[in-house]
Amino acid sequence: DAGVTQSPTHLIKTRGQQVTLRCSPKSGHDTVSWYQQALGQGPQFIFQYYEEEERQRGNFPDRFSGHQFPNYSSELNVNALLLGDSALYLCASSLLGYSNQPQHFGDGTRLSIL
Amino acid sequence: SQQGEEDPQALSIQEGENATMNCSYKTSINNLQWYRQNSGRGLVHLILIRSNEREKHSGRLRVTLDTSKKSSSLLITASRAADTASYFCATQSNSGGSNYKLTFGKGTLLTVNP
Repeated sequence: DAGVTQSPTHLIKTRGQQVTLRCSPKSGHDTVSWYQQALGQGPQFIFQYYEEEERQRGNFPDRFSGHQFPNYSSELNVNALLLGDSALYLCASSLLGYSNQPQHFGDGTRLSIL
Repeated sequence: SQQGEEDPQALSIQEGENATMNCSYKTSINNLQWYRQNSGRGLVHLILIRSNEREKHSGRLRVTLDTSKKSSSLLITASRAADTASYFCATQSNSGGSNYKLTFGKGTLLTVNP
């Protein structure tokens, strides 16, 4: 049973560039959430996708956008990268309609902005 | 913004001792979850406690929840060196149109010395 997979594992970009991160949810899950974790901090919710639509969004600027595909996989896009975007980006999957369930996390993508 | 606050921020103990971490949160919740993170990798779900539960056990883990004080504690008994990790509490609420967003605290860094 495949868990949540994320790619790439590490990425180095320069300020102003654009980046795309990818996530495949756990088998059987239909909902994908993205989190940003700065060094020494807890993860912060970016947004959540279900049925290819953004269902909820955290306090992140429009530079952060996403997409969900019919196979439930998802992408996180960040435009005009800033130094402060350096962080571990985590993807989590779950099954909508079932409350009181844990989210399953991937190992994340470490993004470094130079 | 962070919902929870873990206490202490860092904890160092000897193998075999018990470790207790506390978490406080601000708003009403549907459930509270504890996750473990090893050295910047993905989050691993440990235990989920619903708002109508007061205590839950899983192996060497014991979690309590006091909704009147908006607080929770995680007890790890007979700790092992392999328990060395960061521990995060996360809450889920039914507000805001989605009951799957997790709101994390800043975490407790636990070091278990052999």
